[in-house]
Amino acid sequence: GEDVEQSLFLSVREGDSSVINCTYTDSSSTYLYWYKQEPGAGLQLLTYIFSNMDMKQDQRLTVLLNKKDKHLSLRIADTQTGDSAIYFCAEVNDYKLSFGAGTTVTVRA
Amino acid sequence: EAGVAQSPRYKIIEKRQSVAFWCNPISGHATLYWYQQILGQGPKLLIQFQNNGVVDDSQLPKDRFSAERLKGVDSTLKIQPAKLEDSAVYLCASSFEQGAGAFFGQGTRLTVV
Repeated sequence: GEDVEQSLFLSVREGDSSVINCTYTDSSSTYLYWYKQEPGAGLQLLTYIFSNMDMKQDQRLTVLLNKKDKHLSLRIADTQTGDSAIYFCAEVNDYKLSFGAGTTVTVRA
Repeated sequence: EAGVAQSPRYKIIEKRQSVAFWCNPISGHATLYWYQQILGQGPKLLIQFQNNGVVDDSQLPKDRFSAERLKGVDSTLKIQPAKLEDSAVYLCASSFEQGAGAFFGQGTRLTVV
């Protein structure tokens, strides 16, 4: 199975907040990343958090890190139709970048 | 700044044929990755280079896949012979250094029939 685990689907109403959750395995991971993938496109680096932080905010995006539980979340405020995509959580361990299976976010009007 | 360039974008081949993919990373990026993404799954690391040396190729099916990064810049990934289960998107990515955020190309969608 995947070392990085994510729920597969999330449906959210336009204007609401989205929260995407991820659990990772390696407590020594130095960086944790969130990527976005739109249909037919490569992965776009959205944001990251360093392991000595517990929160990072970047415009509409907020990343929360709970190292004790190895839990990472991405909150998207005021979700828009353009936020519909697959979101991947990724961890770096032993210098390798490993991805979860992705969460498909669907934004409904 | 130019992003990661990959070619071709699409390729259809018959099983047992050979195919090669090319990647040009972002200028100055020492680390280059090749990932395989099967429909509905997350990317799986095939091989990771640091300059022109291999850091990890533990998940590369070496009986049929090969990759090289001559001169520590461009890279090619080859499959010979292809199997039906190789149908996937092959993503190239690069980062300034190991562990730093990786930037991805558009990918090559391979269909093996």
